[in-house]
Amino acid sequence: ETGVTQTPRHLVMGMTNKKSLKCEQHLGHNAMYWYKQSAKKPLELMFVYSLEERVENNSVPSRFSPECPNSSHLFLHLHTLQPEDSALYLCASSQRGGSGNTIYFGEGSWLTVV
Amino acid sequence: GEDVEQSLFLSVREGDSSVINCTYTDSSSTYLYWYKQEPGAGLQLLTYIFSNMDMKQDQRLTVLLNKKDKHLSLRIADTQTGDSAIYFCGGSYIPTFGRGTSLIVHP
Repeated sequence: ETGVTQTPRHLVMGMTNKKSLKCEQHLGHNAMYWYKQSAKKPLELMFVYSLEERVENNSVPSRFSPECPNSSHLFLHLHTLQPEDSALYLCASSQRGGSGNTIYFGEGSWLTVV
Repeated sequence: GEDVEQSLFLSVREGDSSVINCTYTDSSSTYLYWYKQEPGAGLQLLTYIFSNMDMKQDQRLTVLLNKKDKHLSLRIADTQTGDSAIYFCGGSYIPTFGRGTSLIVHP
């Protein structure tokens, strides 16, 4: 079983749909992240949940809504998305505190908005 | 500008050495990392260097850190076709990454 598991791996949704991406980490980490990876753009940090505190990138539109019910699970709720939101969404986790903060990534969820 | 900057592409011949460079702005990271992303997959940790080190060698990989210039590099010796991937550098304090460098290895 991999350390960080994302489902679904592929998702096609219409602009009026509501869907969610799910992430689960089995590493006992205390921080989880959502990243967006689009072609020809930097890997974008969208949200961080660390020790029950949420940090967000202010440039992320409100049509993306994260939820972190506990330290092992992270969701990204999607509603009324745009075609430009089509991308690979990567979940990651780490153990913050101490001197290191190695990020472990999931395999990603490929999202296509039609 | 971006927090992390890398050149977008590097093309090398199989068996040659590859050097991927990175400049960063955040100087508070205790560790600096290199990640590898193969097609269709997430990022995998490749190697890292502690911020008070200048160099780290890990089999075919050599990481050089110039903290004064905020410059990090990854050298891959004897590059193989299996090394073809996108390589990202990043820090530990604020886990941001740039666009990555696409390494293309041709026979």
